[in-house]
Amino acid sequence: EVQLVESGGGLVQPGESLRLSCAASGFTFSSFWMSWVRQAPGKGLEWVANIKHDGSEKFYVDSVKGRFAISRDNAKNSLYLQMNSLRDEDMAIYYCTRDRVAGALYYIDYWGQGSLVTVSS
Amino acid sequence: SYELTQPPSVSVSAGQTATITCSGDKLGDKYASWYQQKPGQSPVLVIHQDTKRPSGIPERISASNSGNTATLTISGTQAMDEADYYCQAWDSSSYVVFGGGTKLTVL
Repeated sequence: EVQLVESGGGLVQPGESLRLSCAASGFTFSSFWMSWVRQAPGKGLEWVANIKHDGSEKFYVDSVKGRFAISRDNAKNSLYLQMNSLRDEDMAIYYCTRDRVAGALYYIDYWGQGSLVTVSS
Repeated sequence: SYELTQPPSVSVSAGQTATITCSGDKLGDKYASWYQQKPGQSPVLVIHQDTKRPSGIPERISASNSGNTATLTISGTQAMDEADYYCQAWDSSSYVVFGGGTKLTVL
């Protein structure tokens, strides 16, 4: 059974940093692209960043470029999101996802339960 | 940047057919996926590659994608189908793109 378990969320002040982790199990982690997708309170889904199965390619939504960094440790079956210079608008539930990619085909087949990041002074 | 547009809400009587649209420039040339999200839960994939249903998704959920519009259709809508639905596609400039979501209400 595929499982994605996020951790590391919490309350931070604007300008502070936070690191999210995602522990993956039930599949060969090193074979899949992975993403972070967020959802602000009462709002829709927003893709944040993704990373190729071997970590050689990473992509970000414009609003987090230069502030967030996605990484993975295939030996530990873990995905990470380092979030720096957090802003009010970064407050959201952050989901770890397993992605299916083949050329122009890209979809998400599994989602974690989410980790809440609250940014408030 | 690439954008996908969905109606904010759709209402349907129980047992009837619900249709949710997703519009984007030349969306038919891309692959569309659809996700269902119930309150307090994580999203669930219900359609990928325009028309394919993952295992466990009922046959009454179907979809199509042509021109500028992808369409999710739920036949014989049940109370359990009440949820938010999101379309998604991949674009070479914007990468992973979601529509704004549609709240389906079953009357």
